[in-house]
Amino acid sequence: EAQVTQNPRYLITVTGKKLTVTCSQNMNHEYMSWYRQDPGLGLRQIYYSMNVEVTDKGDVPEGYKVSRKEKRNFPLILESPSPNQTSLYFCASSWGQGSEKLFFGSGTQLSVL
Amino acid sequence: QKEVEQDPGPLSVPEGAIVSLNCTYSNSAFQYFMWYRQYSRKGPELLMYTYSSGNKEDGRFTAQVDKSSKYISLFIRDSQPSDSATYLCAMSGGDTDKLIFGTGTRLQVFP
Repeated sequence: EAQVTQNPRYLITVTGKKLTVTCSQNMNHEYMSWYRQDPGLGLRQIYYSMNVEVTDKGDVPEGYKVSRKEKRNFPLILESPSPNQTSLYFCASSWGQGSEKLFFGSGTQLSVL
Repeated sequence: QKEVEQDPGPLSVPEGAIVSLNCTYSNSAFQYFMWYRQYSRKGPELLMYTYSSGNKEDGRFTAQVDKSSKYISLFIRDSQPSDSATYLCAMSGGDTDKLIFGTGTRLQVFP
C-alpha cells in the first residue's frame, strides 16, 4: 500500500530536549516536505526536499532541521524544542513540487512543555 | 493580505444538503487548483484537482474555478455525515511552483 509513515503519532516533551520525528514513504517520490498545522494559520511549510541531499527552507524553518540521506526518509529534527513549537506536524511526499498531488502522513501531535 | 483566503467555518448542514465551499486568491499566476479533505486526526487527502479554469465533476463533488474573479469553489451534492471533515483549498503556479494552502473550512453534516 502506498503510504507516508510518520512516527511517533503523539509526543510530549520538555523544553530543550532534542527530538526527531521520522518520516518514510514507499512511493519512490523525489519530493518530500514537512508542514505544521496550527488553528487559524493552516498548513505552513517548514522544510522541503527536491531529492536526496537537496533540502530547502519553507516558510517557517526557524528551530527545525532536516536531512535527506536516502530517498525514502526525511526526518524532522528539533534540536532544542520550545513551547511555540507545540503543533500538529505532517510529512508529505509527491512526484514534484507545486502541481503534483501530495500524499500526507497521519500526523504527529507534539506538545512541548 | 493572505495569498489564499478561506472561511474557517464551521459550516453545519443537514444530511442531503448542497454544500458550497469557497476560496479566494490574489495571485493571478495560479493555474493548479486542488481541494484536500482532512478527517479529524488524519492527514489531508487530495479530493479534487483542476488545471486552469472550468469545472470538474467527480460523483457528488464538483470543483469550479473562476480565474477572472480569482475564486474557486467546491460543491458537494447530497451531503452525507461521512463528508464531515475540514476542506482545504490549495493552489500553485507562476514562478514560485509552491503549493499554497487555505486555512481550511470545517464542515459538519448532521443526520
